[in-house]
Amino acid sequence: DAGVTQSPTHLIKTRGQQVTLRCSPISGHKSVSWYQQVLGQGPQFIFQYYEKEERGRGNFPDRFSARQFPNYSSELNVNALLLGDSALYLCASSLALRAGGKNIQYFGAGTRLSVL
Amino acid sequence: EDKVVQSPLSLVVHEGDTVTLNCSYEVTNFRSLLWYKQEKKAPTFLFMLTSSGIEKKSGRLSSILDKKELSSILNITATQTGDSAIYLCAPAGGGADGLTFGKGTHLIIQP
Repeated sequence: DAGVTQSPTHLIKTRGQQVTLRCSPISGHKSVSWYQQVLGQGPQFIFQYYEKEERGRGNFPDRFSARQFPNYSSELNVNALLLGDSALYLCASSLALRAGGKNIQYFGAGTRLSVL
Repeated sequence: EDKVVQSPLSLVVHEGDTVTLNCSYEVTNFRSLLWYKQEKKAPTFLFMLTSSGIEKKSGRLSSILDKKELSSILNITATQTGDSAIYLCAPAGGGADGLTFGKGTHLIIQP
């Protein structure tokens, strides 16, 4: 079975540009979460979507937005890119909304975004 | 605000050694604690712990949760070079605010 897939794997943008990252969850998973990981830090929560609705949001500016499609895939958009947005962006999928029990988040390989 | 502290932040040992990684947390409406291993990009799931005192084991890796002390440890015995990675601890709360990760422990196993 395919795991969580993310595209593209690498991306180089310049300040002020906009970027869209894509994620396909594990088949049967209805929840997708996005995380930002900068060098030397653990992943930081950005958004969680469940059944196509935003269910949780981390402490990120409004330049960050996301959506989930009827097939449960998801896109993360970042507008007006800043140098500080350079990071590994990870997508995780899970069966349900809340962690616990068998509801484990499984991660994709991420998109490495470099902002110049 | 949820808080996770992992220690040590980095650790260098020789193959065959046993290591213990620590995680302490403060999280609202705690439900479970997860451990992940991150080698290059994707964190891969190791353990989910929900009950105190019950040790989870997978080969040479084991983990235990202490809900009274708000902490967890991850043990790796007879380490191998393939165990070199960043080990991340992430407690999960009751809301839909994702996982809160610590900075991780960067483990290096020297041959």
